[in-house]
Amino acid sequence: AQSVSQHNHHVILSEAASLELGCNYSYGGTVNLFWYVQYPGQHLQLLLKYFSGDPLVKGIKGFEAEFIKSKFSFNLRKPSVQWSDTAEYFCAVTTDSWGKFQFGAGTQVVVTP
Amino acid sequence: EAGVAQSPRYKIIEKRQSVAFWCNPISGHATLYWYQQILGQGPKLLIQFQNNGVVDDSQLPKDRFSAERLKGVDSTLKIQPAKLEDSAVYLCASSDLASRVGELFFGEGSRLTVL
Repeated sequence: AQSVSQHNHHVILSEAASLELGCNYSYGGTVNLFWYVQYPGQHLQLLLKYFSGDPLVKGIKGFEAEFIKSKFSFNLRKPSVQWSDTAEYFCAVTTDSWGKFQFGAGTQVVVTP
Repeated sequence: EAGVAQSPRYKIIEKRQSVAFWCNPISGHATLYWYQQILGQGPKLLIQFQNNGVVDDSQLPKDRFSAERLKGVDSTLKIQPAKLEDSAVYLCASSDLASRVGELFFGEGSRLTVL
């Protein structure tokens, strides 16, 4: 069965620091990859997605992610975080056109002023 | 556009009682999902509807959970009888697979506490 692994459950960093969250999946076929974010008190929302083409995708709020097929990875990055980036981040994968998603366990990111 | 609406936001019940959650998806979204999110874990799919038909309910504990989507719009998720391990946030999401494949729109969730 396919699975999604997020390497860190909790990350604490200071404003202006760089952020990288790891995501690996186990599926050998074609995948669609996503990062969702949940800000405190808000619902889950899409941060960015990859279907095909350029493996470096850019999302909202300065986030980007790189798909490395050989490593089955889709890591999320942001060069300089802000306090408002405090949130929980979820990596997700779909492997078919029906939109059946498999989510990772999430990474709680806390950005201190 | 209006978002996905869910109710109630919070519910506390005792084990063996029943509970029902309601979801109204974004207008025009044919696909509706119910996810269970236990504290410290990612959302786990319980059931997926395409219009009023079930696409996937393989992870739905059918001895106690049921869901329906009458007329292909609103949906209700029911738990009867509830167990302690059902304490979780129940998320409803919808999508328009025809035009925006892969983008789920989530509601704010219904937090269930079973005592």
